Amino acid sequence: NAGVTQTPKFQVLKTGQSMTLQCAQDMNHEYMSWYRQDPGMGLRLIHYSVGAGITDQGEVPNGYNVSRSTTEDFPLRLLSAAPSQTSVYFCASSYDRGTYEQYFGPGTRLTVT
Amino acid sequence: AQSVTQLDSQVPVFEEAPVELRCNYSSSVSVYLFWYVQYPNQGLQLLLKYLSGSTLVKGINGFEAEFNKSQTSFHLRKPSVHISDTAEYFCAVSDNTDKLIFGTGTRLQVFP
Repeated sequence: NAGVTQTPKFQVLKTGQSMTLQCAQDMNHEYMSWYRQDPGMGLRLIHYSVGAGITDQGEVPNGYNVSRSTTEDFPLRLLSAAPSQTSVYFCASSYDRGTYEQYFGPGTRLTVT
Repeated sequence: AQSVTQLDSQVPVFEEAPVELRCNYSSSVSVYLFWYVQYPNQGLQLLLKYLSGSTLVKGINGFEAEFNKSQTSFHLRKPSVHISDTAEYFCAVSDNTDKLIFGTGTRLQVFP
């Protein structure tokens, strides 16, 4: 199993550009989530999904969109990048919601200039 | 709403000394508690978790944590640390809804 994979590893965007961060898992996990990690702020939940076709907002959803058309994939879209979105983004998956171990991807480091 | 407080942003300690990383939570319902570790330039991995049962939980790499409901705490301990334990440690809480809430992290720095 590859586990949770994320692409790209690094990305630089200009303000106003759009892009999609990819996340895939091969463990048949129903639950997937996106976090951003900023210094001194820990990990903050952006969006999550409890299964294909179902998504919901986390703590900091503004400026981000998600969709879940398959169990395996959970892309995160930035519609119009802003410098405040400079961060490290982690995708995670879990067999079930909060009671089971979440498996994290290696992260995507995004810089918006 | 649930929340997690990690009071120490950094904990310096010498090798082979004991260490305790503090975590307090707030929640109005029963909770599940987790400690994750993040090594430099890597994602997070689970150290240990408390779901129910014994309040003393043992995890990987010799770490353990104790759930204290009256003090709403879930402190992480290790009796003797190694250089390789240098990392950032995150406490997290879930009340079995759809969200896992993380603390701000504690950077453990082990010196030789």
